[in-house]
Amino acid sequence: GAGVSQSPSNKVTEKGKDVELRCDPISGHTALYWYRQSLGQGLEFLIYFQGNSAPDKSGLPSDRFSAERTGGSVSTLTIQRTQQEDSAVYLCASSLYYEKLFFGSGTQLSVL
Amino acid sequence: AQTVTQSQPEMSVQEAETVTLSCTYDTSESNYYLFWYKQPPSRQMILVIRQEAYKQQNATENRFSVNFQKAAKSFSLKISDSQLGDTAMYFCAFLNGQGGSEKLVFGKGTKLTVNP
Repeated sequence: GAGVSQSPSNKVTEKGKDVELRCDPISGHTALYWYRQSLGQGLEFLIYFQGNSAPDKSGLPSDRFSAERTGGSVSTLTIQRTQQEDSAVYLCASSLYYEKLFFGSGTQLSVL
Repeated sequence: AQTVTQSQPEMSVQEAETVTLSCTYDTSESNYYLFWYKQPPSRQMILVIRQEAYKQQNATENRFSVNFQKAAKSFSLKISDSQLGDTAMYFCAFLNGQGGSEKLVFGKGTKLTVNP
């Protein structure tokens, strides 16, 4: 597709379960970002991948959160042992030039 | 660390009128970018307008324009001839242009409602 694709669009899980969120960036974009948007809040940076460089993980809130990017393309954000405070919209963005980000429509995660 | 503040949680405007959304930021950098993003109910963040800090001229994109006051660290968005489709959350964002920290810092957003 032409844009950034995220799946699933919505995810409901039980507290303590693991979840995986997927992001398909725009083809050819070397940079990929994950952001979290909690209710009534702005976007909180989680992690940033750029080419083959080591990712910037400085925004990950705890060691329950991890992300990988395979083959410089698709990325998966994994949350282990989910907690209710993890409920949020998780947005992915990709870019070729770092000042021009293109966002996906996000995954709404609800932890019951 | 850079911070972005949007002091108006909610605003409303009548269709065809003009509205201004406020944004202030704090940074010690001299080279940076500022953005306004629109987030409709579809959740996808859409870039509305971008300003490079080294450019004195205010950016304009059709009905959208900014008032960039670098000394005051202010970056407001003016929407002229408001349309119903402008109803959305609007986020102001900052990006350090020095490199090495290429992540957008967002404000908490302003919910804009355009009334018919």
